[in-house]
Amino acid sequence: DTEVTQTPKHLVMGMTNKKSLKCEQHMGHRAMYWYKQKAKKPPELMFVYSYEKLSINESVPSRFSPECPNSSLLNLHLHALQPEDSALYLCASSQGSGEAFFGQGTRLTVV
Amino acid sequence: GQNIDQPTEMTATEGAIVQINCTYQTSGFNGLFWYQQHAGEAPTFLSYNVLDGLEEKGRFSSFLSRSKGYSYLLLKELQMKDSASYLCAPAPRGDYKLSFGAGTTVTVRA
Repeated sequence: DTEVTQTPKHLVMGMTNKKSLKCEQHMGHRAMYWYKQKAKKPPELMFVYSYEKLSINESVPSRFSPECPNSSLLNLHLHALQPEDSALYLCASSQGSGEAFFGQGTRLTVV
Repeated sequence: GQNIDQPTEMTATEGAIVQINCTYQTSGFNGLFWYQQHAGEAPTFLSYNVLDGLEEKGRFSSFLSRSKGYSYLLLKELQMKDSASYLCAPAPRGDYKLSFGAGTTVTVRA
């Protein structure tokens, strides 16, 4: 199983809502990632978890809150987002130095 | 930190060859990845170069020169389905940080 599963595939939320994005992998990977991708731009790294601990936060606003409940799951909690946060959010996992496997992403629209 | 430089766009005709260059400066180096991303889809892994030289995988080949901080991805016998964005990324080291260059959008024309 080389799959990274993200849910939901699409999400529309208001600026006062709280929602969560979910990501799951069963490859035993030690590193998990959140990326944000705007149209015609490359994926932009947000957070990295290694061994279930947050190891990198690329100065992401606190309205994005990551969580790693266990080695297979990664969540991204969203609160008080702005319309400019509308984007494709990608989750990925890897063994660390090896190739990363990406989920299909959640397309988020903030209204 | 990392500086990664790729051309923004390239256009070629079906059946042709295209070479996408990537130059990088990174503190510490552990190899270089190339990923392909079709519009609206997730990136998919294409190649990983650790040692200098050319790695060939079917129609796609990737080259690395560590001393020059330079890599290229060679796409041969282009097909319409090769129209995509191609991303280069230095492989993470101990911090597991995987960051991409700006990507090169390749458009294949009939």
